[in-house]
Amino acid sequence: AQSVTQPDIHITVSEGASLELRCNYSYGATPYLFWYVQSPGQGLQLLLKYFSGDTLVQGIKGFEAEFKRSQSSFNLRKPSVHWSDAAEYFCAVAPNAGGTSYGKLTFGQGTILTVHP
Amino acid sequence: DTAVSQTPKYLVTQMGNDKSIKCEQNLGHDTMYWYKQDSKKFLKIMFSYNNKELIINETVPNRFSPKSPDKAHLNLHINSLELGDSAVYFCASSHRQSSYEQYFGPGTRLTVT
Repeated sequence: AQSVTQPDIHITVSEGASLELRCNYSYGATPYLFWYVQSPGQGLQLLLKYFSGDTLVQGIKGFEAEFKRSQSSFNLRKPSVHWSDAAEYFCAVAPNAGGTSYGKLTFGQGTILTVHP
Repeated sequence: DTAVSQTPKYLVTQMGNDKSIKCEQNLGHDTMYWYKQDSKKFLKIMFSYNNKELIINETVPNRFSPKSPDKAHLNLHINSLELGDSAVYFCASSHRQSSYEQYFGPGTRLTVT
């Protein structure tokens, strides 16, 4: 069965500092990969996704993520964090199985990001 | 304009009661989902409907029954509530052809006492 691990439950950074949130997955083949963000009191919002091709993907709000097959990782990065980035971030995977899985996402446990002024 | 809305936002009830959570989306999507987020923050899919047809039904107790009156609505009815049902329930929607790009509602926090 596929699984997603986010090793860091809580990360604190200063505003303007760089950020990297870790995500490792366990799956028999290369899955589809996603990062979602959840602001307090809000639903999850898709930040970016990887299906195939270029292993560095760009998302909204200045975020990017890099797929590394050898490490089964899909880490999220941002060069300079803003106070508004404080939120919870979820990594997710889905089977690369064509149309048979219909949106069956498997989520990690989430990483809470705190930004200090 | 709210894209995916859920009501109620908070629900406190006693064991044994029956309750419903409603979800509506105005994005024109044809697929809707219910997720459960437990106390450890793991978000797990429960059900998925496409054009009112059930297409994902994970291992969920029979006490949980989704109902989709039309493709803009997906309600979740829970019978005989148990303490372990306490969680945050999220509704989401998408187009079927881009089913991984899901739009989530704000969640309903259910507390069973």
